[in-house]
Amino acid sequence: AQSVAQPEDQVNVAEGNPLTVKCTYSVSGNPYLFWYVQYPNRGLQFLLKYITGDNLVKGSYGFEAEFNKSQTSFHLKKPSALVSDSALYFCAVRDAAGGSYIPTFGRGTSLIVHP
Amino acid sequence: DTAVSQTPKYLVTQMGNDKSIKCEQNLGHDTMYWYKQDSKKFLKIMFSYNNKELIINETVPNRFSPKSPDKAHLNLHINSLELGDSAVYFCASSPQGDQPQHFGDGTRLSIL
Repeated sequence: AQSVAQPEDQVNVAEGNPLTVKCTYSVSGNPYLFWYVQYPNRGLQFLLKYITGDNLVKGSYGFEAEFNKSQTSFHLKKPSALVSDSALYFCAVRDAAGGSYIPTFGRGTSLIVHP
Repeated sequence: DTAVSQTPKYLVTQMGNDKSIKCEQNLGHDTMYWYKQDSKKFLKIMFSYNNKELIINETVPNRFSPKSPDKAHLNLHINSLELGDSAVYFCASSPQGDQPQHFGDGTRLSIL
């Protein structure tokens, strides 16, 4: 079975400050991990993924995420937040060992960046 | 140059009606999906269609039925619409393996 948790419904940060959006996961085998962003009235857009290799993954719009196997976490980060980063962020996981190829999504975290 | 397109974007109808939502992807992906996003923004997988294999989320009422005329299309037909069906429905596609999904911009269904 696979599952993912985003413990924060909302994250507030001031523009220019670093931001972190948290994600933890559970899979039987190795994980494929993804972050997506959803702007109002739009579909989800892919930001970045971890499949294997370097634990620090860089993605679109200056975002990055760090894979931590011991803590089963894949937190999304950005060194300096922009007001335009305000959106809904989803973490997703799929078990690389097989079984279902359908990823499991977290409940989403609303990021609000204040000017 | 839309990758995953859904029509209509908005759908307002009355309880008891039957409606369809169309989805097309021009990415050559093998797998297509339908998701329901409720008012709390929670994403729920409804169906997945991969190489003629249909995977159904058992919690989806049988009033919902996916139809795939070919690999590039996965339409969603809904019979006897209910108030609780009001939501945003997203179509997505992906290649096989470790690649991400590509989403359409959603169909906003409102039941009067």
